[in-house]
Amino acid sequence: NAGVTQTPKFRVLKTGQSMTLLCAQDMNHEYMYWYRQDPGMGLRLIHYSVGEGTTAKGEVPDGYNVSRLKKQNFLLGLESAAPSQTSVYFCASSSGEEFVELFFGEGSRLTVL
Amino acid sequence: GQNIDQPTEMTATEGAIVQINCTYQTSGFNGLFWYQQHAGEAPTFLSYNVLDGLEEKGRFSSFLSRSKGYSYLLLKELQMKDSASYLCAALDSNYQLIWGAGTKLIIKP
Repeated sequence: NAGVTQTPKFRVLKTGQSMTLLCAQDMNHEYMYWYRQDPGMGLRLIHYSVGEGTTAKGEVPDGYNVSRLKKQNFLLGLESAAPSQTSVYFCASSSGEEFVELFFGEGSRLTVL
Repeated sequence: GQNIDQPTEMTATEGAIVQINCTYQTSGFNGLFWYQQHAGEAPTFLSYNVLDGLEEKGRFSSFLSRSKGYSYLLLKELQMKDSASYLCAALDSNYQLIWGAGTKLIIKP
């Protein structure tokens, strides 16, 4: 009964380093999303995927890349981390488009020094 | 532009009733969601409204007025565990969710 699982939960990076956040869901959902959450702001969509092998840009895609090679996994990459990318990152999945109840992972707290 | 407004913080007393308001401006509209988020945890789904009116689910109810671009979440018989942030989100014509910054609800004994 895992739902949506994110790894790692916490990470500290130095400016310029790279890293990948992994999201895995076991609900056979087509849609997957990466959001960031910053104090005083609503969740902001970084990238999303409507199915295996597809990705699309969200509201704040710059500095991030994603891949969806398998239906159950959605990876978020930071090629050259910047302090502005310090945030809590949430992965989410949903079954379809019209009724988009999202199921969220527990979040990944990233600090870029 | 698209925008969601909700109060930053509210305080209420255990056992009382509280109403959290949300106004939205979106390009098209396909529904209004409320999520609950405890500190340090993931958001979890509370309610979805697409038609005008009140949807009741136990101690929680959600109301929508499409003509006014307005929704509220009503929490009754407040419990200490209801202390959390409540996120309002509207689904626009492209089925993209526009999120408010959240309302932090503090419950006092």
